[in-house]
Amino acid sequence: QVQLQESGPGLVKPSGTLSLTCAVSGGSISSDNWWSWVRQPPGKGLEWIGEIYHSGSTNYNPSLKSRVTISVDKSKNQFSLKLSSVTAADTAVYYCARILSNYFDYWGQGTLVSVSS
Amino acid sequence: DIQMTQSPSSVSASVGDRVTITCRASQGIASWLAWYQQKPGKAPKFLIYAASSLQSGVPSRFSGSESGTDFTLTISSLQPEDFATYYCQQANSLPRTFGQGTKVEIK
Repeated sequence: QVQLQESGPGLVKPSGTLSLTCAVSGGSISSDNWWSWVRQPPGKGLEWIGEIYHSGSTNYNPSLKSRVTISVDKSKNQFSLKLSSVTAADTAVYYCARILSNYFDYWGQGTLVSVSS
Repeated sequence: DIQMTQSPSSVSASVGDRVTITCRASQGIASWLAWYQQKPGKAPKFLIYAASSLQSGVPSRFSGSESGTDFTLTISSLQPEDFATYYCQQANSLPRTFGQGTKVEIK
């Protein structure tokens, strides 16, 4: 059973960089899957941020592409998200998820990141 | 981007009711559609893929269907644990997009 666990600061200052890590257990990050970040502002819907393959190939949402970097660390079986120049609009629960055949089949529990001074 | 439009945005129903939620894609996505269930404070749960295939462990009262660019999630007999918000997601092309959600509430 694959499990994903997000970690990182719960508070980021405006104009700063949001950094989160997703640790994968019960499976290898080098499997034939993409690994993704999805966010959900309080009381709102789901927004795909981007994804990475173990080779390092990435896909990003065009709406966030200029500010997003997703990386993978195969030695630690984890992948990470960096979102720069954050504003209050980036306050959300951030989920990491595994992608199987274009569907999000396993999700982390999510972590709330607030952007505030 | 492919826009996914769900209706209704919320529905009130009683235990035992049949509930139907619709998701319309702004362009053709073949059968590349998934449904997720999300309860408050929890991550989404993967229910249905390829428009009508049930993920392992999902009760058979859940079903999905399609007609062109219209997709439907049906709960045949609503159970107490089914009160949640449901999202559709198109898996046809990037960027991956979700519907805005349908909240199933207790009448």
